[in-house]
Order: sequence, then structure tokens, then C-alpha cells
Amino acid sequence: KQEVTQIPAALSVPEGENLVLNCSFTDSAIYNLQWFRQDPGKGLTSLLLIQSSQREQTSGRLNASLDKSSGRSTLYIAASQPGDSATYLCAALGGSNYKLTFGKGTLLTVNP
Amino acid sequence: KAGVTQTPRYLIKTRGQQVTLSCSPISGHRSVSWYQQTPGQGLQFLFEYFSETQRNKGNFPGRFSGRQFSNSRSEMNVSTLELGDSALYLCASSLVASGYNEQFFGPGTRLTVL
Repeated sequence: KQEVTQIPAALSVPEGENLVLNCSFTDSAIYNLQWFRQDPGKGLTSLLLIQSSQREQTSGRLNASLDKSSGRSTLYIAASQPGDSATYLCAALGGSNYKLTFGKGTLLTVNP
Repeated sequence: KAGVTQTPRYLIKTRGQQVTLSCSPISGHRSVSWYQQTPGQGLQFLFEYFSETQRNKGNFPGRFSGRQFSNSRSEMNVSTLELGDSALYLCASSLVASGYNEQFFGPGTRLTVL
């Protein structure tokens, strides 16, 4: 059974700082790994998707990496801004079924 | 292109009632998945439909059911509501049921059971 863990559970940083969010998964047989952002009371916004054959994806100030062999993914946010404040979730799409298994998320606060 | 839409956005029910939630995927998307989000358990997979067929099911009691129509719209039904069913219910759509396709989420339906 796939388990996804995100560390830290919460993070508070000053504006402008570069930061890394961590995600680990127990079953390396995944199709892909997605990073999402969720604002309070809202749905999920997809940020980056990394296919199992890829090592990283970049979009603007965001860079996500994937290391299947070690069961880890990281989301790197450069030059953080107050608007980046949200909960960040990673999710692994299972290799044996078409099901996203989510971590509990990292609550990020960027202080002006 | 319109995103994933879910109706209603908010719902208040009492214990023992039943509820039906609706999800309209992005035009052209044929796979729809449902998730339940609670503060304690986080996001949990309910079921996934592709071409009107349920392909995968999560670990939820039989009170939770769903279906998909020929236009890919999907509904989920919860019967005999319990207090613990209070949650944000999210649906996601993707082009096809493939690991190469990104899943796009709707805004969710906030269900409160009193």
C-alpha cells in the first residue's frame, strides 16, 4: 500500500527566501508524481507533474525533482513571495491502479 | 476551456439523509476521480470512472457510490449520512486514464452533516 509523507508539516519563511519542500513515497512503482497547491477552502491547483521516467520539471520559480529509487521528490521554490502562502501537496499516481495517493501537505507561510 | 465544475459548492444535510454531488469534467476528458478531504485523514481516494465504468475503488463503505454518464459527467451519492462524512469532496478529471495525463481538480463541494 502506497504511503506518502511530506516534511515539514509547516514552514514559515521571510519573503525572498529559497525553500525546499520534501515528499517521500514507499512504493516506487508509480506512473507519475504531481505537486499541487491548495488555498484555504479551495480546490487543488496542479503545479508540476513529473513522469516516472523523468528526473525533474520546471515552471517559473518552481522546480520539482523525482528520485524513484529512493522514493523521494522535492519541490524547490525560488525567491518566495507572500502570494506563495498555501498548502502544498504531493501525490503519487499508483503503478498498479489509477489512484493518486496524497501526502498530508506542507503549510507554507511567506512573511512580507 | 472551462475547468472542472462541481455542484453544489456547499451543502448542509442531517444524519440519515442522502446526498448527490455532481462533477462535470473538462471538455474532452473521459476519466473522473473522486476524493474526500478531511482535516484528520487528508485527501483519500473514493473511486475512479472511465468511459462509464468504475475502474478503481478506495476503501470506503458501500454507502458511497458513484456513476458516470455517456457525456463523462459524474455523480457520487452518499446514503445514510453520518457526522463523519462532513468533508470537502473533490473531483478530478484527466484526458484518459493514463499515467501520462495530468489530473485537474474542481473547486470541491463542502458537505456538512449535522
